[in-house]
Amino acid sequence: QKEVEQNSGPLSVPEGAIASLNCTYSDRGSQSFFWYRQYSGKSPELIMFIYSNGDKEDGRFTAQLNKASQYVSLLIRDSQPSDSATYLCAVSNQAGTALIFGKGTTLSVSS
Amino acid sequence: GAGVSQSPSNKVTEKGKDVELRCDPISGHTALYWYRQSLGQGLEFLIYFQGNSAPDKSGLPSDRFSAERTGGSVSTLTIQRTQQEDSAVYLCASSLSERNTGELFFGEGSRLTVL
Repeated sequence: QKEVEQNSGPLSVPEGAIASLNCTYSDRGSQSFFWYRQYSGKSPELIMFIYSNGDKEDGRFTAQLNKASQYVSLLIRDSQPSDSATYLCAVSNQAGTALIFGKGTTLSVSS
Repeated sequence: GAGVSQSPSNKVTEKGKDVELRCDPISGHTALYWYRQSLGQGLEFLIYFQGNSAPDKSGLPSDRFSAERTGGSVSTLTIQRTQQEDSAVYLCASSLSERNTGELFFGEGSRLTVL
């Protein structure tokens, strides 16, 4: 069974700090990696995707991928209270027919 | 439509009844996925459609669950003889891209409660 593991949290950071969210996956054949944000009672929405080893930056968000370690992370700089949500790591299966989601990490940013 | 549309938004049914959940994807999106999310749990993959065919239905939890897609558009997820453990939010997502290379756009979900 292919798995995606995340710490459930909650991860609490003060406003303006850096939030670091981590994810490990088991399928070495995975090629696509995604971070989704889900507000309480709402559906997930895409924040970032990354396909290659290294860092990818988009505004306050940086995704990091290390395929050798089977590790994906998301850094949120200058965290805002509006960033408070559950962050879902998603990894494609090798066949590319399903995104496997972790259970999510709950982030709380206090003002 | 502008986004993925799901109906009904809420469904309460009695154990043993059949239910149908509908998903209308974004126009032109050939890939369609069904997931379910139980309270405090992550998204559990159910089935993937590319056009009208389902190359991956490995996530369907039992033969009580089935899904179809017609005209490369609307999809229906059917749960027969519902059980209490079927209670969850059923999410549909669509994508322009094949093989998980692009963004999934999710609908607002259908919340199913089995009494």
